[in-house]
Amino acid sequence: DAGITQSPRHKVTETGTPVTLRCHQTENHRYMYWYRQDPGHGLRLIHYSYGVKDTDKGEVSDGYSVSRSKTEDFLLTLESATSSQTSVYFCATNDRGQGYEQYFGPGTRLTVT
Amino acid sequence: TQLLEQSPQFLSIQEGENLTVYCNSSSVFSSLQWYRQEPGEGPVLLVTVVTGGEVKKLKRLTFQFGDARKDSSLHITAAQPGDTGLYLCAGCPNAGNNRKLIWGLGTSLAVNP
Repeated sequence: DAGITQSPRHKVTETGTPVTLRCHQTENHRYMYWYRQDPGHGLRLIHYSYGVKDTDKGEVSDGYSVSRSKTEDFLLTLESATSSQTSVYFCATNDRGQGYEQYFGPGTRLTVT
Repeated sequence: TQLLEQSPQFLSIQEGENLTVYCNSSSVFSSLQWYRQEPGEGPVLLVTVVTGGEVKKLKRLTFQFGDARKDSSLHITAAQPGDTGLYLCAGCPNAGNNRKLIWGLGTSLAVNP
């Protein structure tokens, strides 16, 4: 299993505030992903990274931004949190690209009130 | 739009029973992955199937990839409470330059003692 940690694990925030979630990996994987998981929608890709400072949008990227300044860290920022962004957020990594096996972190449960 | 449909959506059985869950699509996939997700954790990769007709076994779990590489099944023999979780399938599309994983919504399995 890839060594992937996410912080914080739980967060409650108010509508309109910025929030940053952190993903840290120790496997030196090139690719990193941010997903959200919601009942009835499953896992949906928000953004992904294919190298340091190389990122691209996923299917539900509106309202989110990402940054990757180091191989091991991938940050997800909610610029101005909304109640529709209440979800469980997962980071994943791999070294072969999007269509291949991914290794997931434990998740962050975010509640926007 | 490529879709992966998983059935049943929910399954509750007694310890010792056998079960099969399905992952179906009208599209061809170059490979298909199965993950298990326990409550409060991220998905964990169980297996990847690549060749049409392929069968892989993981202890009491048997995975099969359809001959046409459009569907897959997971059979669990003598289910145990530890098998409880959300089973997710994810397929790598067969074509395209930027092939993103297509995720099913999952089968939620509860094995009662």
